[in-house]
Amino acid sequence: GENVEQHPSTLSVQEGDSAVIKCTYSDSASNYFPWYKQELGKRPQLIIDIRSNVGEKKDQRIAVTLNKTAKHFSLHITETQPEDSAVYFCAVRTGTASKLTFGTGTRLQVTL
Amino acid sequence: EPEVTQTPSHQVTQMGQEVILRCVPISNHLYFYWYRQILGQKVEFLVSFYNNEISEKSEIFDDQFSVERPDGSNFTLKIRSTKLEDSAMYFCASSVLSPLGGGELFFGEGSRLTVL
Repeated sequence: GENVEQHPSTLSVQEGDSAVIKCTYSDSASNYFPWYKQELGKRPQLIIDIRSNVGEKKDQRIAVTLNKTAKHFSLHITETQPEDSAVYFCAVRTGTASKLTFGTGTRLQVTL
Repeated sequence: EPEVTQTPSHQVTQMGQEVILRCVPISNHLYFYWYRQILGQKVEFLVSFYNNEISEKSEIFDDQFSVERPDGSNFTLKIRSTKLEDSAMYFCASSVLSPLGGGELFFGEGSRLTVL
């Protein structure tokens, strides 16, 4: 099955700095790559997603880039704010499967 | 904004007992899912459901698990005989479009199951 690795596991940045989280996947048939933000004790919430026919997508301070050749995709958060502090999960959907395979998560801490 | 709702928010049960977790997906959604998250770990897929049948399930979803859509609004996950390792947060999710159609998943707030 699909294997998704996510790095780093923890990330601490100062407010205003950028944060980058990277995920790699194993199956070249993977075609959908969402990112979820999960605050403590809360549900995962979709913050941005990208499909395999697109290389980059941006939504205000958040962007995702996809390198299909290398099988990795990254989440970029610019001008970080304290409210960006949370656990971020990448996920992958492969082929015609309905399931999402999640990465292991990155705990982002934005300090003042 | 419509939301996926789940009950109970927390359930404590004894090992070997049956548990039913309930979900009300967003009303116009057609695809339903259960995921689970053991404390501090990643979210894991359990099962997907469409047109009143299971469309995909993971290795975790063994014979102890079952899902049902008993009426037009509820979607339930039953664990027949709970084990200690079933302790986790269980998330229901739904989407309006098929996975191939780009269906964004909307998650509920989760049901925390504690098996003693």
